[in-house]
Amino acid sequence: GENVEQHPSTLSVQEGDSAVIKCTYSDSASNYFPWYKQELGKGPQLIIDIRSNVGEKKDQRIAVTLNKTAKHFSLHITETQPEDSAVYFCAAANQAGTALIFGKGTTLSVSS
Amino acid sequence: NAGVMQNPRHLVRRRGQEARLRCSPMKGHSHVYWYRQLPEEGLKFMVYLQKENIIDESGMPKERFSAEFPKEGPSILRIQQVVRGDSAAYFCASSQDLKGDEQFFGPGTRLTVL
Repeated sequence: GENVEQHPSTLSVQEGDSAVIKCTYSDSASNYFPWYKQELGKGPQLIIDIRSNVGEKKDQRIAVTLNKTAKHFSLHITETQPEDSAVYFCAAANQAGTALIFGKGTTLSVSS
Repeated sequence: NAGVMQNPRHLVRRRGQEARLRCSPMKGHSHVYWYRQLPEEGLKFMVYLQKENIIDESGMPKERFSAEFPKEGPSILRIQQVVRGDSAAYFCASSQDLKGDEQFFGPGTRLTVL
């Protein structure tokens, strides 16, 4: 079945710096890759997603890139702010499209 | 426009009791997914349902766990004879489209088994 690896598990940056989180997936048939932000005690919040017919997508300070050949995708956050501090999860849809397979998460800490 | 709703938010059960978790999808969404999150772990898929049908239950434990999404009312995840290992956060998500794209998550139910 599909497997998603996520790195790093923790990431500490200074306010204003950029943060990059990387994920790899195993099933070449996957075609949908969302990213979620989870704050303490809350449910995951969809922040950006990308489909396999696109190589890059941007939304203000957040961007996602996808390399289908290498089977990896990355989240880029520019000009980080303290409120960006949270756990970020990448995911890949399984081949049937009936489930999301999640990475283990990255705890991002932005210090001012 | 209300998001995905889950209740209760916190549930405490003793070993051997039953736990019932409820999920109301976003308005206009007819696809519901249940995930489990253990401490310090990512989310693990359990089951995918459409109205009155279980489509994919490949992530459900074979025993004690069941799910339903009736024609009327919320989706229910039922855990019978709970054990301490069932303690986790259980999240429900819903989507509008087929194929499970753009899943929106609820706030979760945190189950504690004493």
